[in-house]
Parts: sequence; C-alpha cells; structure tokens
Amino acid sequence: DQQVKQNSPSLSVQEGRISILNCDYTNSMFDYFLWYKKYPAEGPTFLISISSIKDKNEDGRFTVFLNKSAKHLSLHIVPSQPGDSAVYFCAAKGGTSYGKLTFGQGTILTVHP
Amino acid sequence: DGGITQSPKYLFRKEGQNVTLSCEQNLNHDAMYWYRQDPGQGLRLIYYSQIVNDFQKGDIAEGYSVSREKKESFPLTVTSAQKNPTAFYLCASVGEGGFTEAFFGQGTRLTVV
Repeated sequence: DQQVKQNSPSLSVQEGRISILNCDYTNSMFDYFLWYKKYPAEGPTFLISISSIKDKNEDGRFTVFLNKSAKHLSLHIVPSQPGDSAVYFCAAKGGTSYGKLTFGQGTILTVHP
Repeated sequence: DGGITQSPKYLFRKEGQNVTLSCEQNLNHDAMYWYRQDPGQGLRLIYYSQIVNDFQKGDIAEGYSVSREKKESFPLTVTSAQKNPTAFYLCASVGEGGFTEAFFGQGTRLTVV
C-alpha cells in the first residue's frame, strides 16, 4: 500500500529551465508534506515543506504547491542548476504527532548544462 | 555542532551473524527513525521511537530489532532472520511539535558477504 507515490522515476531538464517534480498521496490524514534532496551514499537533506493549511510555500528557487482536493503536491525549481541533479523524495505525515514519516519512491533529476 | 551521527559508514557481515548499527543525535529530539533504502526504491520505515523506552514497528520490521534506552541513541540490530539485509540504512530524528522536518544521518551501507 504505497501511500505516497512519485510516478516519474526520472526527469531531465536544461540548465536555467524549470524543473517540476510531482507527488501524489492517498492518506487524507496527512497534513504535513516535505521534500528532500539526496545524493548517492549520503543522507537526505531537507529542502522545503508545506502544511495542509497552505497551498503554496516558497523558499528561494524552490516552491512547493499543494492541491488537497487532488491529493497532489509538486516541487518547482526555477531556474534549475546542474548542482540540483540528485534524487528528490516527497514525504508526508500526520502533523499532530511525531508519528510515521512516509516517503515516496524518489525522482532522479538531471540538469544538463 | 548539532547533528545525527551514524556509524560505521560501511559494514560487512557474514551470513547468519547479527550486526548493530549505531545512531546518535545531540539535537535533543524526542523522535527517532530507522529507514532502509534499496536501489531504485524509496525509503522504507523499519522502526521508530517517539520517546525513551518506547518504539513502534514500521512497514518492514521483520528481522530487525531496536532499543531506546537513552534519548540520544537509537541503535538498530539487523538479525540473521533478515533475509535480505544488504542495503543502505538511514537514521533520522524529529524535534518537538508535529510540523517540523526530520534530520538524517549520513547512512550506513551494510553488505552481507
């Protein structure tokens, strides 16, 4: 039962263009969503998050959009840079507790110079 | 310098042996998690602990055991009952309040030889 899904295993974009990474979830109890970036053989690093009371959160080049009715969120990176090339994970949890943090399968982003 | 430390970074185990992975944090976080990552897959939750002396099974707990005797430490034992233990193991912790991100260690790569 995959409660958080990232249906695109990989994405390739040109430097300077927009990268859009998508994530779908099925559990309506999720109310806090996070995006992580991960390089091989390293731990994930936190990028940006959004709670269910918002539909957009922005931090520099990174913007996360949440569509609760569609149970869908997306991460926009503008402009994309070669250093953004990594695996991006979407995660979700019920924000009222320390409980389970559920991850998607990840999307490999490659930004070409 | 606050953070999460996992050790060792690389670990080799013979079949039939138990092995313990260390995870220590000095962030004063209550909740700690263990995840496993396999090639091409997302992060799957093994165990998590929300408070000292208490822990819950995640989605793939079979063949693993944990303890939480101190707030700072959450060691994971991979037992001989784990049928496919070769993977990258990640430890994380979360601070007080539900709407906070998880911080990850650098991971331990376990290989069964």
